[in-house]
Amino acid sequence: QSALTQPASVSASRGQSITISCTGTSSDVGYANFVFWYQQHPGKAPRLLIYDVNNRPSGISSRFSGSKSGNTASLSISGLQAEDEAVYYCSSHTISRTLVFGGGTKVTVL
Amino acid sequence: EVQLLESGGTLVQPGGSLTLSCAASGFTFTSYAMNWVRQAPGKGLEWVSGISGFGDTTYYPDSLKGRFTVSRDNSRNTLNLHMNSLRAEDTAVYFCAASVTGTRGRLDYWGQGTPVTVSS
Repeated sequence: QSALTQPASVSASRGQSITISCTGTSSDVGYANFVFWYQQHPGKAPRLLIYDVNNRPSGISSRFSGSKSGNTASLSISGLQAEDEAVYYCSSHTISRTLVFGGGTKVTVL
Repeated sequence: EVQLLESGGTLVQPGGSLTLSCAASGFTFTSYAMNWVRQAPGKGLEWVSGISGFGDTTYYPDSLKGRFTVSRDNSRNTLNLHMNSLRAEDTAVYFCAASVTGTRGRLDYWGQGTPVTVSS
């Protein structure tokens, strides 16, 4: 099972919006809506941001949103803030009943 | 408050074995599938294993099948990972993560991780 493909890094100024892509295959991202996004700050455990493509757990800001088209999922962050600087990982359940992660995208807030 | 506390990480020689544990509290343990996820130094997340709420079904990536075994003791709210034939590339921080049963991999809660170093 290959890792999902994410850009290594994305940067933007405070207040701007960004989108991070996550490309898989028809056996993972494309087979169902079990796509998740996690945020990880240095030295910390990951935190669930988005589940089932476009749902936010309680307590997650509405500035975070998710979408999917075919085998590619996306995470959008609007109104970038300093605390959004972190590494973001996508993940997908697979047709083989396993989980696969993307390589992670480092977001820098300029 | 949900708490997941991993333990057992240490320095181990190549070819050795090690068992990690994760103590859970603050939620109904059997209502959650449990998972192990690891992160090598400076690298991304890698899913290592999963186990159903009652422990009757386990899941592994093909790359780790046969070397790693996940189990749980629901009477003690504890998750375990037994690792055999350890290699340098198994060096990582190992996180346990809880997933509401039926949510297909949604990792709602995470522990802080326990570090494993495989080196002679």
